[in-house]
Amino acid sequence: KQEVTQIPAALSVPEGENLVLNCSFTDSAIYNLQWFRQDPGKGLTSLLLIQSSQREQTSGRLNASLDKSSGRSTLYIAASQPGDSATYLCAVNPTGNQFYFGTGTSLTVIP
Amino acid sequence: DGGITQSPKYLFRKEGQNVTLSCEQNLNHDAMYWYRQDPGQGLRLIYYSQIVNDFQKGDIAEGYSVSREKKESFPLTVTSAQKNPTAFYLCASRLRGQTYGYTFGSGTRLTVV
Repeated sequence: KQEVTQIPAALSVPEGENLVLNCSFTDSAIYNLQWFRQDPGKGLTSLLLIQSSQREQTSGRLNASLDKSSGRSTLYIAASQPGDSATYLCAVNPTGNQFYFGTGTSLTVIP
Repeated sequence: DGGITQSPKYLFRKEGQNVTLSCEQNLNHDAMYWYRQDPGQGLRLIYYSQIVNDFQKGDIAEGYSVSREKKESFPLTVTSAQKNPTAFYLCASRLRGQTYGYTFGSGTRLTVV
């Protein structure tokens, strides 16, 4: 079964700092990987979806990379803002039918 | 606007009662999913459905039941057999196929009183 790990579990940074969130998975045979943002008590908002054939995806200040061979993905957030404070989850899709989720990284951006 | 609607947002259940959580989507997505989220744990899959009138058990299906009579709807019933039902429940949908990602609803928080 696919295991997904996100480190660190929590991160606190000053406003304006660039930061990297990490996601690792045990089985490199995946179809795609998706990064989500979750605000307290809310549903998940999709940030980026990377297909297995892609190395990275970008949306605004966010850049996600994928290295299947090493079982790793990173989410890079440039020039962090207090509004970026949330929990970030990564999910991998090994079967084409369902995604497996990490436990998330809780990010706090301090003004 | 297209999206997924979960209702109610908050739900309280007495022990021994069954309750049904609603999930409706107007995205024309084929597949729908129910996940459970507990503090400190990742999302765990309860049930999923790839097409109408067909559904599959996920990792923690015991004590839950679903139906998929319409493409747009995938209700989840939490039965009295579920021993620890207090949790945040999330519904998701996606187009059928390997390359598509999830769209999530806003969740239902169920509390047993």
